[in-house]
Amino acid sequence: NAGVMQNPRHLVRRRGQEARLRCSPMKGHSHVYWYRQLPEEGLKFMVYLQKENIIDESGMPKERFSAEFPKEGPSILRIQQVVRGDSAAYFCASSPPAAETQYFGPGTRLLVL
Amino acid sequence: SQQGEEDPQALSIQEGENATMNCSYKTSINNLQWYRQNSGRGLVHLILIRSNEREKHSGRLRVTLDTSKKSSSLLITASRAADTASYFCATQRDSNYQLIWGAGTKLIIKP
Repeated sequence: NAGVMQNPRHLVRRRGQEARLRCSPMKGHSHVYWYRQLPEEGLKFMVYLQKENIIDESGMPKERFSAEFPKEGPSILRIQQVVRGDSAAYFCASSPPAAETQYFGPGTRLLVL
Repeated sequence: SQQGEEDPQALSIQEGENATMNCSYKTSINNLQWYRQNSGRGLVHLILIRSNEREKHSGRLRVTLDTSKKSSSLLITASRAADTASYFCATQRDSNYQLIWGAGTKLIIKP
C-alpha cells in the first residue's frame, strides 16, 4: 500500500504565477488535509476535504488559495498570483473515515522568487 | 491559532542520555499526538494518547498526558544519533478533525 504521494516535491515560481500542488491519498482514505509549514515553525492547518466536498477551510487565506478533491484523481491545492510570503512547505495528509491518525506525504516545497 | 507550545525549543544531549520534551495546549482535546520530522522531510507519526489516558509506551518512547494541566511530555530513553530531528505535538478535538500543532522541539543527539 503506497503512502501519501505529493508532487511536485519542489516547485519554483516567480511572483504572480500560479502554483498547483497535488496530493494522492493512501488507498482507501477518503479524507484529505492540507497544512503549511513556514521555516522553523510548526504546521498550520489550511483545509480539510472529503471527496467532492470541502469540510473545513477555516485555515485557508480568503484570496488566491483554493483546494479541491474531485471524485477521480488527486486533491489539488492551487495558489494563484503567488507572492514571496507563500514560500513554504505544503504537506498533505490523509485518513480513513472515523480515524484519529493522519498519514503525511513528503511535502511540496514551494519557493517564490 | 496555534494550540500547542513545546519546550524546550532546542535540546542537545549526549547519545545514550534520555531526552524529555514538553507540550502545553489551550483547549479541550480528544487526543494528543507526537510526530517526528527529520530535517527538511515529511512527518512521521510516533504515538497517540487519548484524553482518558495518562501514560503510553511505544518502544523507547514514553508519553504522559495531564489534562488538568493541559500538558504532555515525550520521553525518549537511551537516545541515539538517529533520533536527531524536530519533534512536534499536535492536538485533535475529534477524529477526522484538523490537527493543531506546536512549534516543535529541535533535538540534537551528539555521538
